[in-house]
Amino acid sequence: DIQMTQSPSSLSASVGDRVTITCRTSQGISNYLAWYQQKPGKVPKLLIYAASTLQSGVPSRFSGSGSGTDFTLTISSLQPEDVATYYCQKYNSAPQTFGQGTKVEIK
Amino acid sequence: QVQLVQSGAEVKKPGASVKVSCKASGYTFTSYYMHWVRQAPGQGLEWMGIINPSGGSTSYAQKFQRRLTMTRDTSTSTVYMELTSLRSEDAAVYYCAREMGVVSSPFDYWGQGTLVTVSS
Repeated sequence: DIQMTQSPSSLSASVGDRVTITCRTSQGISNYLAWYQQKPGKVPKLLIYAASTLQSGVPSRFSGSGSGTDFTLTISSLQPEDVATYYCQKYNSAPQTFGQGTKVEIK
Repeated sequence: QVQLVQSGAEVKKPGASVKVSCKASGYTFTSYYMHWVRQAPGQGLEWMGIINPSGGSTSYAQKFQRRLTMTRDTSTSTVYMELTSLRSEDAAVYYCAREMGVVSSPFDYWGQGTLVTVSS
C-alpha cells in the first residue's frame, strides 16, 4: 500500500500568517490528492481535490499544489476560524489512505 | 439537498458485533460509491472500505478483511457497515462518506458519525 507522510503534525501561527502543510506519498499518485479540514467535534469537510481544485464554497485563501508524490496545502492568511486539523487523502485507488493530520492553532 | 443520516450511538462488549446504518437522500443512491471511515478518540481518519450501491460490490482495507461487511438496501437507500469480534481498539466514531464522482473521487458528503463504545 502507498504510505502517506504529512508534516508537520502540528503548528502554531499568528492570524494573517501564511501556513503551509505538506503531504508526501511513497509512490506517485498523479493528482489524485484531496485535503480535508476537520474542526473539533465536527465532520471532515472537503477543501481541495485533484491536488489544486478548490471545492465549492471554500475560501480562496486555501490553495493546493503538487503532483506525483509531493503536495502542499497553503493558507495564505490564517484566520481564527481556520483552527482545525487538516488531512490529506489519496484517492486514486483503494485503500483511500489519509495522512496523519496537521493540527493548526493560533499563536 | 444531499444528506447522509447515520444510526445512533452503540455500546458493545468485547467480542460482539456492531451494525451501523447510513441512509442517503437527495441524490440517486445507486450512482455514487459509499465509503466508511473511522476515527478513534484523539486520532486521525482511517479508511475502512467502499461499497458500490448499484451492484453491491465491496473492497475492504486489509486490516478489516476478516471482520468487516458492507451491504446496501436499494429500496431504502441505506448502506450498512458491520464489524464483528469487537475489541477495545475498535472504539471510534464511524462515518459514512459519499464519493463525489464517477471514478476515483474524494468524499464530498459525510454522515454525522456514529460513536461506537466497546467496553466490558
